[in-house]
Amino acid sequence: AAGVIQSPRHLIKEKRETATLKCYPIPRHDTVYWYQQGPGQDPQFLISFYEKMQSDKGSIPDRFSAQQFSDYHSELNMSSLELGDSALYFCASSLAESTDTQYFGPGTRLTVL
Amino acid sequence: GNSVTQMEGPVTLSEEAFLTINCTYTATGYPSLFWYVQYPGEGLQLLLKATKADDKGSNKGFEATYRKETTSFHLEKGSVQVSDSAVYFCALSDPVEDSNYQLIWGAGTKLIIKP
Repeated sequence: AAGVIQSPRHLIKEKRETATLKCYPIPRHDTVYWYQQGPGQDPQFLISFYEKMQSDKGSIPDRFSAQQFSDYHSELNMSSLELGDSALYFCASSLAESTDTQYFGPGTRLTVL
Repeated sequence: GNSVTQMEGPVTLSEEAFLTINCTYTATGYPSLFWYVQYPGEGLQLLLKATKADDKGSNKGFEATYRKETTSFHLEKGSVQVSDSAVYFCALSDPVEDSNYQLIWGAGTKLIIKP
């Protein structure tokens, strides 16, 4: 069965650079969520989209932005990267009729040097 | 607000031992409850879920029962294997409190199974 796809899987950036993470939800899933997981931490909700509109916002820094496109894929844009942004970034998707169940991608490991 | 509390780890067991990882929650509405598992170096995988009181979720030999009276969703397995070594997260979603089914996570419990 198709799963959530995230790219890239690993990304290394310097401080103050920008990064773009991509997420391709499970086919027919219309809701996308972004989470950040620091080392040894539980996932922290960043932002979610439903039908290309932002639906909920969590602890996302102002330096980050995200959007969902017409094909339902989503991109997380991160600017002025800081050392503390180094983390695993997970995307999850769900279907509107059963939005309580989120299916996660493998994550993008971002390292900021 | 809503919250999830898990037993602290790491939990270290021998192969074939019985496993219990405790999870309790507070919620204002009628949440759905989940267990996710994260194997070393991998992403989060949905292990099982329950959407209403007395529901039992089960998968891969793991079980958890939604207990509204004790606000608990403890994870159990009768005989663990080395391959079960991972971090287990208890989570809830409560559309009354949290718009769009945002997941509220426990801190995670690291499980180590020794051969």
